[in-house]
Amino acid sequence: ETGVTQTPRHLVMGMTNKKSLKCEQHLGHNAMYWYKQSAKKPLELMFVYSLEERVENNSVPSRFSPECPNSSHLFLHLHTLQPEDSALYLCASSAPGQGITEAFFGQGTRLTVV
Amino acid sequence: AQSVSQHNHHVILSEAASLELGCNYSYGGTVNLFWYVQYPGQHLQLLLKYFSGDPLVKGIKGFEAEFIKSKFSFNLRKPSVQWSDTAEYFCAVNAYSSASKIIFGSGTRLSIRP
Repeated sequence: ETGVTQTPRHLVMGMTNKKSLKCEQHLGHNAMYWYKQSAKKPLELMFVYSLEERVENNSVPSRFSPECPNSSHLFLHLHTLQPEDSALYLCASSAPGQGITEAFFGQGTRLTVV
Repeated sequence: AQSVSQHNHHVILSEAASLELGCNYSYGGTVNLFWYVQYPGQHLQLLLKYFSGDPLVKGIKGFEAEFIKSKFSFNLRKPSVQWSDTAEYFCAVNAYSSASKIIFGSGTRLSIRP
């Protein structure tokens, strides 16, 4: 148990589907992140939310749409994805304002786009 | 922009061998540095971190890392590895100017022969 819970753990979707990934943290942190982990590539930072405001968007295609309704929940809405978007999507949280700058990760959602 | 380089993609060692994994970062200011480990099928977890003070940092499971500011390096070491250390290891950096942004390297896969 990491304190950061992601659902679903696995997702297979067609290129025309719309789906959402969910992340919930029980650590009282105020920053949340989406990372993409592909084989043999660095973890790619996609989005950062701090105090529920998006503070970072690393040139991510608009087919990925994040939502942070409160400091404990983070969503990643997916639509019209491409096969190259297949990857492990990781959610993380931290609390830089409390001196906790390291990220705590969830188990990830393994996404396959067919 | 911050970046992290891990030059060893796959390292294979026998049990009891000594380990050193290289990590270099690019950022001219003050940084926080981290090593994370991802065991097969598990989430990313923090191995150790450097914030300030003693540049030799000790972490869990006998791992340590040394911050050498002049070389922009933060190499991970363990004097005697075990089969259970088989995992992927990620170096990460967080610049003080951007407390919410944590950038990762591409990871080093460590395989230990029993």
